[in-house]
Order: sequence, then structure tokens, then C-alpha cells
Amino acid sequence: DAGVIQSPRHEVTEMGQEVTLRCKPISGHNSLFWYRQTMMRGLELLIYFNNNVPIDDSGMPEDRFSAKMPNASFSTLKIQPSEPRDSAVYFCASSPQGYGAGELFFGEGSRLTVL
Amino acid sequence: RKEVEQDPGPFNVPEGATVAFNCTYSNSASQSFFWYRQDCRKEPKLLMSVYSSGNEDGRFTAQLNRASQYISLLIRDSKLSDSATYLCVPRGDSSYKLIFGSGTRLLVRP
Repeated sequence: DAGVIQSPRHEVTEMGQEVTLRCKPISGHNSLFWYRQTMMRGLELLIYFNNNVPIDDSGMPEDRFSAKMPNASFSTLKIQPSEPRDSAVYFCASSPQGYGAGELFFGEGSRLTVL
Repeated sequence: RKEVEQDPGPFNVPEGATVAFNCTYSNSASQSFFWYRQDCRKEPKLLMSVYSSGNEDGRFTAQLNRASQYISLLIRDSKLSDSATYLCVPRGDSSYKLIFGSGTRLLVRP
């Protein structure tokens, strides 16, 4: 069975450019999470969707970040304009249940470097 | 105080050794706890849930001490393949929100 699929796996861009990260959750999972991982801050929850609806976006750093989930099988995380401090690994994760979920299924991550 | 605190390690142990990690959490209202494993440059994966009474899964044993607000993970008979970072994960205030610790790195040597 296919797991969570993320693209691109690696992205190197220059400061000020727009970055779009993509995620396809596991079919049938109704919860989707975007996390960011850095050495300094570890894994941080950016945004949580349940049934395609954003439930909690309190972790989104600032207005430069936006996320959408137009349907059950696709989500995007966009950074515009990007800054060097956005360099991190961005993980998308899905779960078959929102409330009470213990097991998150993570994608392989998108490693972003902003120069 | 951080929500979740873990000794970053690394713990460097020989194959066959027993090793234990502790983790402390600040939210006394947390009801559920988990250990995740993350291999180098890979995604985190659930290792095991932590039940109030403690639980065992093969060579792995998890314990919860609510009074002291700490969680432990014991690995017996360490294998080379156990080398990874182990993330302590209590559930936060919201039922969907998992709070990931920064992890404890384990290196098992031949």
C-alpha cells in the first residue's frame, strides 16, 4: 500500500522565491498534519486538517505560510516569500482518525534549503 | 520549562546491552503517551504506545509515572538496527495534538 507521498523530496531556492510543498495522504485517512523539523526546535506542528477543513493553524509561523487541502487526497504548504530561516524538513502526516489519534503516518519529508 | 524534555544523548552501547531512556513532560493533563522512532534522515514512525500500567512489546518496555510526570523506554538485548533517535510524545491539550520531544539518540556498536 502506498504511504504518504510528498514532493519535492529536496528543494533549494533563493530567498524571496515562492515554495510549494505537496502531500498526498493515505487513502481513507481523514486527518492531515504538516510538521516542520529543525535541529533547534525539533518537530513542530504547523497545521492540522480534519476532513479537508483546517482545524488548527496556530503553529503556522506567519503570514508567509499558507496551507490548503482542496480534496481528501491532496494538500499543499506554500511559503511566499521564502527566507533562510525557513530551511527545514517539512513532513506531512496522515491519520485515520483525528481526535484521539496516536499513530501518525509520516511521509518521507521535503528538505527545504533557502539560500 | 519545555513541554517535553529528553536527554539528547547519544547513548553509545554495545550489542546485547540494556539501555533506558527517560522523558519528562510538563502538562499534567496529558492522557496519552507514545514513543516514536526516527532513523537518520528518515521520517518518524510509531514504536509503541505507553499505557498507564506499563506495556511490553518484545524487547521494548514502556513505563509511565504520572505522579512524577515521566515516561521511560527500556530496550533489552540491543541490536545494531536499534540505532536511531527515540522521540517521546505526550498528547497535548487538544486531543489531536502530539507534542514531540527532541529525541534521544541511540548508537548500538558491534
